[in-house]
Amino acid sequence: DIVMTQSPDSLAVSLGERATINCKSSQSVLYSSNNKNYLVWYQQKPGQPPKLLVYWASTRESGVPDRFSGSGSGTDFTLTISSLQAEDVAVYYCQQHYSVPFTFGPGTKVDIK
Amino acid sequence: EVQLVASGGGLVQPGGSLRLSCAASGFTLSSYAMSWVRQAPGKGLEWVSVISSSGDNTYYAASVKGRFTISRDNSKNTLYLQMNSLRAEDTAVYYCAKQSAGNCYSSIDYWGQGTLVTVSS
Repeated sequence: DIVMTQSPDSLAVSLGERATINCKSSQSVLYSSNNKNYLVWYQQKPGQPPKLLVYWASTRESGVPDRFSGSGSGTDFTLTISSLQAEDVAVYYCQQHYSVPFTFGPGTKVDIK
Repeated sequence: EVQLVASGGGLVQPGGSLRLSCAASGFTLSSYAMSWVRQAPGKGLEWVSVISSSGDNTYYAASVKGRFTISRDNSKNTLYLQMNSLRAEDTAVYYCAKQSAGNCYSSIDYWGQGTLVTVSS
C-alpha cells in the first residue's frame, strides 16, 4: 500500500498570510504513460463532506479561488494558500489514486492565528 | 447540479448487516465510477471501495474485503454498499462520492453528505 504522510499536523496562520501544507507518498504516484501525478487535495470544513480543490497535483478545480495552488511531482507535493481567509479554516487532505487502496493522508488542520 | 443522497445508516449490533444506498442525480450515473469513503468520529478519511461505471471492476480496502460489497443499478441511478459482519471499528460516517471518469483510477470530484453507521451492542 502507498502510505501518505502530511506535515504539519496543524498550523495557525494570520489572515492574509501564506499557509503551506506538505504531502509525501511512500512511492511515486507519477504515471509515466501520461506524465500525470495521481494526487488530489480536498478541503473539509466542520460538519461538511470534503470538497475537491486540486487534481493531478496542480490543476485547480473549477470554482476554487486562485489563492489555492498545488505543486510537486513523484512523491513530494505541496498545497499553498497564498493569502489565508477566514473561510479557509478547515482540514486539508491529500489522496493518491495511483494504486489500490487509494490512501489518504492523515490531514492538516488550518486555523487562524 | 450534482446531488448524492446517502441513506440506510443507523445503529446495528456487532455481527449484523446494513445496506447503504446513494441516490444520484444531476449527472449521468452510468458514465462515472463511484466510491464509498468513511470517516470515523473525529478521525480522518478512509477509502472503502470503488466501482467502475459499468460495474465490471470493483476494489476494496483490506479492512472491509470479504465483508462489504459495492454495487450499482444505473437504471435506478443508485449506488449501494452491502455491509455484513459489522464490527465496532466500522462505526463511521459513510460518504458516497462521484469520480471524475468511468474508470476506477479517476479522482473523486464530488462528495455526498454521508450517512452515519454505528456498530454497538
